[in-house]
Amino acid sequence: DAGVTQSPTHLIKTRGQQVTLRCSPKSGHDTVSWYQQALGQGPQFIFQYYEEEERQRGNFPDRFSGHQFPNYSSELNVNALLLGDSALYLCASSGLGINTEAFFGQGTRLTVV
Amino acid sequence: AQSVTQLDSQVPVFEEAPVELRCNYSSSVSVYLFWYVQYPNQGLQLLLKYLSGSTLVKGINGFEAEFNKSQTSFHLRKPSVHISDTAEYFCAVSVPNRDDKIIFGKGTRLHILP
Repeated sequence: DAGVTQSPTHLIKTRGQQVTLRCSPKSGHDTVSWYQQALGQGPQFIFQYYEEEERQRGNFPDRFSGHQFPNYSSELNVNALLLGDSALYLCASSGLGINTEAFFGQGTRLTVV
Repeated sequence: AQSVTQLDSQVPVFEEAPVELRCNYSSSVSVYLFWYVQYPNQGLQLLLKYLSGSTLVKGINGFEAEFNKSQTSFHLRKPSVHISDTAEYFCAVSVPNRDDKIIFGKGTRLHILP
């Protein structure tokens, strides 16, 4: 079992550009959540996808959007990048049922210059 | 709304000494509690979790934590640390029967001194 895989591992973008990050959940998991972890901070919840729909959202602007595919994989898109979007973006997957353990990927380190 | 406070941003401790990482939470409803570890350039790994039952929870790598409802605390302990325990530790909560959203504290960096 490959666990949760994220791509790419590192990314450098210029202010104003758009970026897409990808996540493949752990086998058997159907729910994907995305978190932003700024340097020296704890992860902050961005949004969660289940059955290809956004189930809930944290306090992030509409520049942050996502998608879930029929195979449960997910994308995080960020438009009009700001310097403050530089962070480690973590994907977590979980399975059916309430409070099954969330497994995290290694993250994508995004640097905006 | 729920929040998590980790009282120490950094904790230095000598190898083979005991350690306690402190965590307090705030919530108007019952919560599940977690400790995650993040090694350098890695994602998050679950150390242990409290869902219900015994307030003393044992996790991986010799860590344990105690849930104290009256003090709204969930402190993490290890009787003897090893150099390999050098990492960032995050306390977190989620609300039962609502969703899987996890709310994290800001983290405590554990420095193991030789």
